[in-house]
Amino acid sequence: KNQVEQSPQSLIILEGKNCTLQCNYTVSPFSNLRWYKQDTGRGPVSLTIMTFSENTKSNGRYTATLDADTKQSSLHITASQLSDSASYICVVSGEGNKLVFGAGTILRVKS
Amino acid sequence: NAGVTQTPKFRVLKTGQSMTLLCAQDMNHEYMYWYRQDPGMGLRLIHYSVGEGTTAKGEVPDGYNVSRLKKQNFLLGLESAAPSQTSVYFCASIKTRTANTGELFFGEGSRLTVL
Repeated sequence: KNQVEQSPQSLIILEGKNCTLQCNYTVSPFSNLRWYKQDTGRGPVSLTIMTFSENTKSNGRYTATLDADTKQSSLHITASQLSDSASYICVVSGEGNKLVFGAGTILRVKS
Repeated sequence: NAGVTQTPKFRVLKTGQSMTLLCAQDMNHEYMYWYRQDPGMGLRLIHYSVGEGTTAKGEVPDGYNVSRLKKQNFLLGLESAAPSQTSVYFCASIKTRTANTGELFFGEGSRLTVL
């Protein structure tokens, strides 16, 4: 069964600290992996998209990594800010561009 | 350029009532999707459309109908609302040729409560 598991479910960090969110998937065949940021009460907004051949992709303070062999991805946030408080969703695209969504990791950045 | 616009943003219905959610995109995208988001779960696909006049079922289509009469609009209908349909609904769109790697744009969501 095609699944996307994210960990942790929720995370609280202090402003200025770094954090890493995890995404493990069983989607096969694999096409691409996306990370989205969803602010409370808003729609998801794309952070990164990675294909099979890409290992790392950055978007400002956000860096996503992909290991297609172990079917794992991570999203690293550097020097966190209060505005980083949101839900982060991992989405994996498989056969026929079918998208499988993870449940998300809720990040709260405290001052 | 507004992107993906959903209306209404909030709605409260009584069981058995009907309603329609409207999704409009101004990016000339071919593919459009309707998802529902429930606490602790990933977004689940209700219905989708790969072009004007075409629709297809997603993973949770029961109780919903859709129409794509115009390329820019994708309507989601509830004929007889049930409390289990209380959720936040998101519309999304993407270009056809880059459907595999292009960016999926989401609307701001429509929060529906069925009493």
